[in-house]
Amino acid sequence: TQLLEQSPQFLSIQEGENLTVYCNSSSVFSSLQWYRQEPGEGPVLLVTVVTGGEVKKLKRLTFQFGDARKDSSLHITAAQPGDTGLYLCAGGNDYKLSFGAGTTVTVRA
Amino acid sequence: DTAVSQTPKYLVTQMGNDKSIKCEQNLGHDTMYWYKQDSKKFLKIMFSYNNKELIINETVPNRFSPKSPDKAHLNLHINSLELGDSAVYFCASSDSPAATDTQYFGPGTRLTVL
Repeated sequence: TQLLEQSPQFLSIQEGENLTVYCNSSSVFSSLQWYRQEPGEGPVLLVTVVTGGEVKKLKRLTFQFGDARKDSSLHITAAQPGDTGLYLCAGGNDYKLSFGAGTTVTVRA
Repeated sequence: DTAVSQTPKYLVTQMGNDKSIKCEQNLGHDTMYWYKQDSKKFLKIMFSYNNKELIINETVPNRFSPKSPDKAHLNLHINSLELGDSAVYFCASSDSPAATDTQYFGPGTRLTVL
């Protein structure tokens, strides 16, 4: 049983379009992280959010942590082919990260 | 100047064999982890060590035995390999065991059990 559900599982869009990936749980987390993983490599951290309702922006990426700290979203504006990858959310409590199953994003040129 | 390195990158072996995967980090971190990523890309924690002490052991069969000779190394030994052990295994490290810390992942070891 996965603690974190990500949707959609797959997303294919044209360059320049916007996209949103969702991460939902019935559990409360003290922190939420988003990672991006490219084929043949390990995940790389994009952001950590720790406060309910927190919004962080990194260039074209906007991350939001739900008020109840059970869900999160990642929004990419004007997607580029370099945004292609597997996006993983991970909820943190104490010393443990629980990962979602990931959303595979493909941005077509 | 690789931060987290793993060897080997690929490992193909027969059922019943014993194999080891090595991990080293040169970031000066206190905490190291082993994760398993299955064919559906689900990443699950197996073990974590802080200052060479085991702090997380997630219901992993005791055929899997981690060993941390020092803070910079965390090796994974697997006995009596089974078909279901086929996966990509990732080592990671972080400054502390806090879940808010950034975890730096190695490139992964793809294990195939025939």
